[in-house]
Amino acid sequence: GENVEQHPSTLSVQEGDSAVIKCTYSDSASNYFPWYKQELGKGPQLIIDIRSNVGEKKDQRIAVTLNKTAKHFSLHITETQPEDSAVYFCAALLDSNYQLIWGAGTKLIIKP
Amino acid sequence: KAGVTQTPRYLIKTRGQQVTLSCSPISGHRSVSWYQQTPGQGLQFLFEYFSETQRNKGNFPGRFSGRQFSNSRSEMNVSTLELGDSALYLCASSSSGGAYEQYFGPGTRLTVT
Repeated sequence: GENVEQHPSTLSVQEGDSAVIKCTYSDSASNYFPWYKQELGKGPQLIIDIRSNVGEKKDQRIAVTLNKTAKHFSLHITETQPEDSAVYFCAALLDSNYQLIWGAGTKLIIKP
Repeated sequence: KAGVTQTPRYLIKTRGQQVTLSCSPISGHRSVSWYQQTPGQGLQFLFEYFSETQRNKGNFPGRFSGRQFSNSRSEMNVSTLELGDSALYLCASSSSGGAYEQYFGPGTRLTVT
């Protein structure tokens, strides 16, 4: 079946450095790719999303890039801060049934 | 604007029982989706309701059902609980509909013993 692979499963970076999380999807017809941040005890929070008609989108310290040919998209966080520590999930919208397929998550640890 | 609220936050049930979870979406949002989150399977889509109609359904057995009321509040019911139903059940609402720009509640942690 269709799936989304997310790497790495854990990422530890020094405060102030950049973090990059990558996802690969299998459904070439997918056209919507959101990223969610989940803190302990909370539900996922949408932090940025991108549609297939653009290659990059930025929102302050967060950016997402999409390569439709290679079927992968990435989350970039610059100037990381302690409050960025959380689990991050990528997802892709299946064209066949309009359901999100989720990556397994990346635990981001920001070291002081 | 108030966020998505879910009640109860925690629930402990015994195998064979049934359970009902509740979700109140963000005011003005007509789409409500439900997800199951487990360490092993991650986030999996259960179903989506829009204007009181189920518009989409994931691959879960018929023991999982839901409904939506005229005020967009939604309930999810699981009958004949199994140990494997232990999970965090998340509700998400959207003004755009479907999977677009979803706002999640804090979830209900269900433990089946």
